Amino acid sequence: AQSVTQPDIHITVSEGASLELRCNYSYGATPYLFWYVQSPGQGLQLLLKYFSGDTLVQGIKGFEAEFKRSQSSFNLRKPSVHWSDAAEYFCAVGGNNDMRFGAGTRLTVKP
Amino acid sequence: EAGVAQSPRYKIIEKRQSVAFWCNPISGHATLYWYQQILGQGPKLLIQFQNNGVVDDSQLPKDRFSAERLKGVDSTLKIQPAKLEDSAVYLCASSKGLAGDSFPGELFFGEGSRLTVL
Repeated sequence: AQSVTQPDIHITVSEGASLELRCNYSYGATPYLFWYVQSPGQGLQLLLKYFSGDTLVQGIKGFEAEFKRSQSSFNLRKPSVHWSDAAEYFCAVGGNNDMRFGAGTRLTVKP
Repeated sequence: EAGVAQSPRYKIIEKRQSVAFWCNPISGHATLYWYQQILGQGPKLLIQFQNNGVVDDSQLPKDRFSAERLKGVDSTLKIQPAKLEDSAVYLCASSKGLAGDSFPGELFFGEGSRLTVL
């Protein structure tokens, strides 16, 4: 069965610093991978997705993620964090009828 | 384009009472999902509809939870009777994607319905 692990429950970074959020997955076939962001009291918004092809994918709000099959990872990165990036970030794996989410990483941004 | 609409946004009930949540997906989206998000956890799929049929309800606690999407558009999720552990945010999402598609469609989420069971 597919599963997603986000090892970091909470991360704090300074505004302007770089960010990397980790995601490891377990999936029986070629994975479809996603990163979603959730601001307080809001629903989830898709940041980016990987289906196939180039393993470095670009998303909205300046985020990117790299698929590494050998490490079963799909880490999210941003070169320079803004205060508005403070939110909960969820990695997900699956397809149209088996989407599974990780437990999330809460990002705090220090001034 | 209107997003996924959910109501009510907040609900507080006593245990053993019943509650219902409503979701109206984005127009034209065939697939509708209900997720349960307990505080500090990621969303967990409860049930997935494609049009008015159920694709996956394997994680729905059927002794107390029920859901329907009678006309293939809006959907209702009901809990009866509620337990303390049902306190969570119930998220509805919709997608153009279908179960048989080669690639999954993007999920669009509503703002959620927060349930507190006392």
